[in-house]
Amino acid sequence: AAGVIQSPRHLIKEKRETATLKCYPIPRHDTVYWYQQGPGQDPQFLISFYEKMQSDKGSIPDRFSAQQFSDYHSELNMSSLELGDSALYFCASSLRGNTEAFFGQGTRLTVV
Amino acid sequence: GNSVTQMEGPVTLSEEAFLTINCTYTATGYPSLFWYVQYPGEGLQLLLKATKADDKGSNKGFEATYRKETTSFHLEKGSVQVSDSAVYFCALSEGGGFKTIFGAGTRLFVKA
Repeated sequence: AAGVIQSPRHLIKEKRETATLKCYPIPRHDTVYWYQQGPGQDPQFLISFYEKMQSDKGSIPDRFSAQQFSDYHSELNMSSLELGDSALYFCASSLRGNTEAFFGQGTRLTVV
Repeated sequence: GNSVTQMEGPVTLSEEAFLTINCTYTATGYPSLFWYVQYPGEGLQLLLKATKADDKGSNKGFEATYRKETTSFHLEKGSVQVSDSAVYFCALSEGGGFKTIFGAGTRLFVKA
């Protein structure tokens, strides 16, 4: 069965650079969620989209932005990267009305 | 708001010991409850879930029962193996596009 695809799997950037993370949800899923997991931390919710509109917002820094496209894939754009942005970034997708979200394998971002 | 509280780790057990990881939740509605497992350097894997009161989720020898009266979803396994060493996250979701909320995670070490 198709799963949530995230790319790239690993990314190394320098401070003050920008990064774009991509997420391809399970086919027919209409809701996408982004999470950030720092070392030894639980996943923290950043932002979600339903039908290409932002549906909820968590602890997402102003330096980050995200959007969902007409094919339902989503991109998380991160600018002016800081060392503290080094983390595992998860994307998840679900069908609205269902409680279970399916998680991708994550993108490990390292800022040096 | 909704929240999940789980026992602090790390939990260290010998192989074949009994495992319990406590999890309690606070929710305004009727959430579904989940246990996720994260092996070192990997993503989140859904271990088991329960969608309504008194449901028991089970997988790979692990089980948890949705207890509405005590707002709990404790994870248990009768005989742990070294390969069960990982971080376990309790989580809830109310669906309808609402995000999944995670507990802080409990690290389990199993010694041979």
